[in-house]
Amino acid sequence: AQKVTQAQTEISVVEKEDVTLDCVYETRDTTYYLFWYKQPPSGELVFLIRRNSFDEQNEISGRYSWNFQKSTSSFNFTITASQVVDSAVYFCALSEGKNTGFQKLVFGTGTRLLVSP
Amino acid sequence: GAVVSQHPSWVICKSGTSVKIECRSLDFQATTMFWYRQFPKQSLMLMATSNEGSKATYEQGVEKDKFLINHASLTLSTLTVTSAHPEDSSFYICSARDSGTNTEAFFGQGTRLTVV
Repeated sequence: AQKVTQAQTEISVVEKEDVTLDCVYETRDTTYYLFWYKQPPSGELVFLIRRNSFDEQNEISGRYSWNFQKSTSSFNFTITASQVVDSAVYFCALSEGKNTGFQKLVFGTGTRLLVSP
Repeated sequence: GAVVSQHPSWVICKSGTSVKIECRSLDFQATTMFWYRQFPKQSLMLMATSNEGSKATYEQGVEKDKFLINHASLTLSTLTVTSAHPEDSSFYICSARDSGTNTEAFFGQGTRLTVV
């Protein structure tokens, strides 16, 4: 069975601090996809990144960076120099990859990030 | 980028009535769509997988007679909450898989349902 664990329920930081959101996953599949989504108070899901299981290269996009380590089944997300607009709930998600195409997402419980001025 | 339109964004209905939520892929075809539910301050849970031209596949514990799903075209899936009760109040969000690539799915904006 697939499972995604986000142990941090809520994190509070002050603007300009760096913050790392943890994500640990479980799957028996050798091919899978990992995602991060941002959910602001308005509710919509904002796609941040997708990573497939064969690509362990870390990625940086502006103030965002992701560290994928298969050895520890982790896919952590770091925001550098956080801003108030980063305040939201962040979800890590896992999807198995099959020949039939993209499958359902299994979401973690989310981490609520509060960035204060 | 690909756009998925979900309508309505929010709805308030009386107990016992039915509510229909639409999920439409605007610039791509989607033979498969996913319906998720999110209770306040909780995670998103898959309710069902909707397949164009066939019956939806429901997750364990989701009542198929209460949550009717119809995927009659390549761009539209609907979720009808029948005989709604206050405990059905939730955030419902759909995701449409791009049939062209089969490797990506895009989320709608979500529908906040309040049953009074």
